[in-house]
Amino acid sequence: NAGVMQNPRHLVRRRGQEARLRCSPVKGHSHVYWYRQLPEEGLKFMVYLQKENIIDESGMPKERFSAEFPKEGPSILRIQQVVRGDSAAYFCASQPIRQRTSNSYNEQFFGPGTRLTVL
Amino acid sequence: KQEVTQIPAALSVPEGENLVLNCSFTDSAIYNLQWFRQDPGKGLTSLLLIQSSQREQTSGRLNASLDKSSGRSTLYIAASQPGDSATYLCAVWAGANNLFFGTGTRLTVIP
Repeated sequence: NAGVMQNPRHLVRRRGQEARLRCSPVKGHSHVYWYRQLPEEGLKFMVYLQKENIIDESGMPKERFSAEFPKEGPSILRIQQVVRGDSAAYFCASQPIRQRTSNSYNEQFFGPGTRLTVL
Repeated sequence: KQEVTQIPAALSVPEGENLVLNCSFTDSAIYNLQWFRQDPGKGLTSLLLIQSSQREQTSGRLNASLDKSSGRSTLYIAASQPGDSATYLCAVWAGANNLFFGTGTRLTVIP
């Protein structure tokens, strides 16, 4: 059973270039989350997607960042015109379905992350 | 807004010691709490998930407890080993569309 896969694992970009980060969730999982971990900081939520829909993007910067989760293929986090402050580890997590039973939600499974370095 | 705090930020112990990592959260209306392990430059490995209706979970040498009313969780590691050296993260699911993470405790187990 393949877990959450992310590629590339390491990405180097120069200021002003575009970065595309890919996430393939666990097979059968229809919920995807993106988190960012800045150096020496905790993970912060960016966006939550279901197939073909953005459910919550409240943690994503308003400009230059976008995310999608198409019907076919991986989820993509896209950063346009990268700046040095975008250097971070970007983690994707997937979840099977969200079941609210006994006030409990399903576990999230994390990928290995993509480490973006902006020169 | 939910805030998660982990104390201490760093901890060094000799091999074989038992240790406790602490996690506190400000909003007690959580659905579950997860403990993760993160090795340098690597991803997150889920260690234990405690549902809101549970008080503790155990896996091998690890035991996690949850006290919702006081907004606290502890991760107990028995008979620590050098391979346990890593950063331990606590995260809560509290009704928003995401996990709220603490900043972690960096554990070093000295041989």
